Amino acid sequence: TQLLEQSPQFLSIQEGENLTVYCNSSSVFSSLQWYRQEPGEGPVLLVTVVTGGEVKKLKRLTFQFGDARKDSSLHITAAQPGDTGLYLCAGSGAGSYQLTFGKGTKLSVIP
Amino acid sequence: DTAVSQTPKYLVTQMGNDKSIKCEQNLGHDTMYWYKQDSKKFLKIMFSYNNKELIINETVPNRFSPKSPDKAHLNLHINSLELGDSAVYFCASSQDPTGFGVQETQYFGPGTRLLVL
Repeated sequence: TQLLEQSPQFLSIQEGENLTVYCNSSSVFSSLQWYRQEPGEGPVLLVTVVTGGEVKKLKRLTFQFGDARKDSSLHITAAQPGDTGLYLCAGSGAGSYQLTFGKGTKLSVIP
Repeated sequence: DTAVSQTPKYLVTQMGNDKSIKCEQNLGHDTMYWYKQDSKKFLKIMFSYNNKELIINETVPNRFSPKSPDKAHLNLHINSLELGDSAVYFCASSQDPTGFGVQETQYFGPGTRLLVL
């Protein structure tokens, strides 16, 4: 069974600060995704990373896939209250229908 | 237009009852999923259907039975509800994986909040 460990579990920061969320595993994943879930809603995909070492940017969010494809990070620059939510990483094997989710990082950005 | 819809949104019921949750997607996807999210927000796959065929069946009590009448629908029936079944249940759908290692986007419904008393 492939497991994904996310850290930190909870993060409360002031508006304008930077933060990094980590997603680690001992298993290799063919691709890794980051989702954000707001209260009362389902998760929504932010990004998919596929290649080891890949970096993708989505406005103030920067996603990196580790060289060995076992870990990933999400960095947010100048966090805004609208960034508040539960961030989930999820990995899958080649051609797999199954996503393994991490336990999530609950982010609160205080105005 | 709602992409993935679930009914009901809230479900409060007594222990021992039988209940069903319905899911429909209008994205034309072949693959649909049921997930359970516990009180600690851990999201875990329960079942997946591809083209009405069961392809993922995780270790779930056999009181849970999924049914896919067609590609656009995946329902979840739960018999003899227990307190521990209280959770948020999410339906999702996706295109088939490409086979080249890239997981397709999964589109989630809004969830069904089940509370067993």
